[in-house]
Amino acid sequence: RKEVEQDPGPFNVPEGATVAFNCTYSNSASQSFFWYRQDCRKEPKLLMSVYSSGNEDGRFTAQLNRASQYISLLIRDSKLSDSATYLCVVILNQAGTALIFGKGTTLSVSS
Amino acid sequence: DTAVSQTPKYLVTQMGNDKSIKCEQNLGHDTMYWYKQDSKKFLKIMFSYNNKELIINETVPNRFSPKSPDKAHLNLHINSLELGDSAVYFCASSQALGEGVNTGELFFGEGSRLTVL
Repeated sequence: RKEVEQDPGPFNVPEGATVAFNCTYSNSASQSFFWYRQDCRKEPKLLMSVYSSGNEDGRFTAQLNRASQYISLLIRDSKLSDSATYLCVVILNQAGTALIFGKGTTLSVSS
Repeated sequence: DTAVSQTPKYLVTQMGNDKSIKCEQNLGHDTMYWYKQDSKKFLKIMFSYNNKELIINETVPNRFSPKSPDKAHLNLHINSLELGDSAVYFCASSQALGEGVNTGELFFGEGSRLTVL
C-alpha cells in the first residue's frame, strides 16, 4: 500500500462549483498533515495545514480523520485561478523532516 | 530575493555524462532536501540533510551523490546519467523546530529540468 494515496482526477468543474479531494495515508504514526498546491510547471507551495479539529481558510476547508487515516480538502465557489494540482502531504517524524507527498489531484475550473 | 535558488533551470545532456545541480537557500533553515518529480508528476523525496548531516537517504541509485558544504547549500551530483533520470529535480528547505513542532512548510526552488538523450 502506498504511503499517501490520492485520486489523481482530473476534476473538471465549472466556476462556482464546490469540489472535494480526499487523501488516505498508511502510517498511523504520521505526525502532521498538509495540503500543497502546484501550478503547471511550477514548484509546490503550501496551501494550508490540516488540524484534527478541522480548519478553514477562506473558501478552503481541510479535515483530518485520524481513526480512518483520511484527509480532505473542500473548495467552495471555485475560481478559474484554483486550477492546479493539489498535493496531500504527510509528515512521518516528529522532527518534521520526513515529508511524504501524494501524487496529487488535478483540478481544472472552467468558465 | 530568491529564497531557494537552484541552478541550472534546464539541463540537456547525453547518456553516460556526469552533471551537477546546485542549490542554495537564504532562509536560515536547518534542513534541505532533494525531490525528484517524474513525468507522471509524482514528487518523491531523495535526500534530506539537517545541518550538513544526511538524515534521509531514500532508495536512489548510488550514482546520485548529495553534498552539503554548509547548511545553506545542498548540491546534487549525478554520475553516468541514464534515460530514466530525466525529470524535474526540486531542492527545498524547511526549519525543523524540534520534537513535536514543525510548520510543515517546505520552500521549494523553481526546479531543474533534466533531459537525458
